[in-house]
Amino acid sequence: QVQLVESGGGVIQPGRSLRLSCAASGFTFGSYGMHWVRQAPGKGLEWVAVISYEGSNKFYADSVKDRFTISRDNSKNTLYLQINNLRAEDTAVYYCAHGSFDFWGQGTLVTVSS
Amino acid sequence: SYELTQPPSVSVSPGQTARITCSGETLPDQNAYWFQQRPGQAPVMVIYRDTERPSGIPERFSGSSSGTTVTLTISGAQAEDEADYYCQSTDSSGAYVVFGGGTKLTVL
Repeated sequence: QVQLVESGGGVIQPGRSLRLSCAASGFTFGSYGMHWVRQAPGKGLEWVAVISYEGSNKFYADSVKDRFTISRDNSKNTLYLQINNLRAEDTAVYYCAHGSFDFWGQGTLVTVSS
Repeated sequence: SYELTQPPSVSVSPGQTARITCSGETLPDQNAYWFQQRPGQAPVMVIYRDTERPSGIPERFSGSSSGTTVTLTISGAQAEDEADYYCQSTDSSGAYVVFGGGTKLTVL
C-alpha cells in the first residue's frame, strides 16, 4: 500500500535552516509529481510547493518562494523541502502529498522558537 | 493571488443533509477537490474532479458544480462526519494550487 513518511521536523531557532524529508513507498515514485502542504496550529491547509515527476518543474506559493526549495531523489524515493531563514510564522505541520492529493503522509511538526 | 471562499462553519442535526459551498473565479474551468480532516489526522480526499467519489468513501458524500461555485453534499450526515472540510483547486494556469479556508461541520 502507498506510504508517505515525513521526517526532519522539530524545534528550531529563528533564522536557522531545516530540511524535511518524505520517504515514499508502495507506488512508482518517479512517475508522479509531489506536493508539500503545511498547516499552522489551529489554522487551515496551505499549499507550499509542487515538483514534477522528474524534478524539472517546480512551483511555489508566493508566501514561501524566496526561502523554500522543493527537490526529489527518485533513486531514493524521497521528496525534500529545504527551508531557509526560518520564521515564527513557519511553525506548522508539514505534509507531503501524492500529486493527485489522493495520498498524504501523517506530517512532521516544525516549531520555530528561540 | 487566487482564493477559494468557504463558510467557516455549518451545523446540521444527525440524518439531515449538510451542504458546504466553495466559490472561486476559475472553478468553471478547473477541477475541484474536497478533503475531510478530523482532529490530529491528515486530510482525506472525499471528492475529486468536482463530482467523483474515491473508493471507500461512503455514498452519502457527493459533489456538484455550478458556475463559480462547487458544493459538497453529505446526505444523512452522521456524527462521524463531524470534521473540517477543505475545497481545493488551481489558478487559471493549473500550476498553482489553492485551498479554501475550511469549513467546520458540526453534527449535533
